[in-house]
Amino acid sequence: SQQGEEDPQALSIQEGENATMNCSYKTSINNLQWYRQNSGRGLVHLILIRSNEREKHSGRLRVTLDTSKKSSSLLITASRAADTASYFCATDPNDYKLSFGAGTTVTVRA
Amino acid sequence: NAGVTQTPKFQVLKTGQSMTLQCAQDMNHEYMSWYRQDPGMGLRLIHYSVGAGITDQGEVPNGYNVSRSTTEDFPLRLLSAAPSQTSVYFCASSPGPSTGELFFGEGSRLTVL
Repeated sequence: SQQGEEDPQALSIQEGENATMNCSYKTSINNLQWYRQNSGRGLVHLILIRSNEREKHSGRLRVTLDTSKKSSSLLITASRAADTASYFCATDPNDYKLSFGAGTTVTVRA
Repeated sequence: NAGVTQTPKFQVLKTGQSMTLQCAQDMNHEYMSWYRQDPGMGLRLIHYSVGAGITDQGEVPNGYNVSRSTTEDFPLRLLSAAPSQTSVYFCASSPGPSTGELFFGEGSRLTVL
């Protein structure tokens, strides 16, 4: 069964706006990761946040982790057309079995 | 640096046929895995390997076999294809579980008629 679930399923925003998506998971984790998938392509790693971290930044990306609520959020600031993609969170209840959610599809309108 | 290479990119099979999806990585990663991606389901882990000669089952292993004779290659075999195996298959590799980040191939789209 899926460990993580993203919310919302789909998101449509105007270029320049911020996009926020959330991930909830069920069991304790070592780390949580976010990936991006462009249409018809493989997944690309965006950022990893460890269970003892609360916030992490990478360029226009900001990830938060609340282990007490078993949730994480991904914020993309100043969105661009190139940010149009599906975004997945992934957790590792077991070191070797990274579990993915169903993803959030983000559409950035010009 | 090619990264993770999957072949073929597209394949159509008839029910009952067998085939092998190939996966090769040139990053000397110990960990390799196979996922399938279905609409609305996210990615589900089929099998994984933590090194040559070592494989284990993931969430949905039934109907699939794997082997890991070298560090570079991790083929996925469908022994008797079924329509339920129509999916997009992704191979991924990582230096190790503690490192976390997975490097994905571009996917193999399989249709079983």
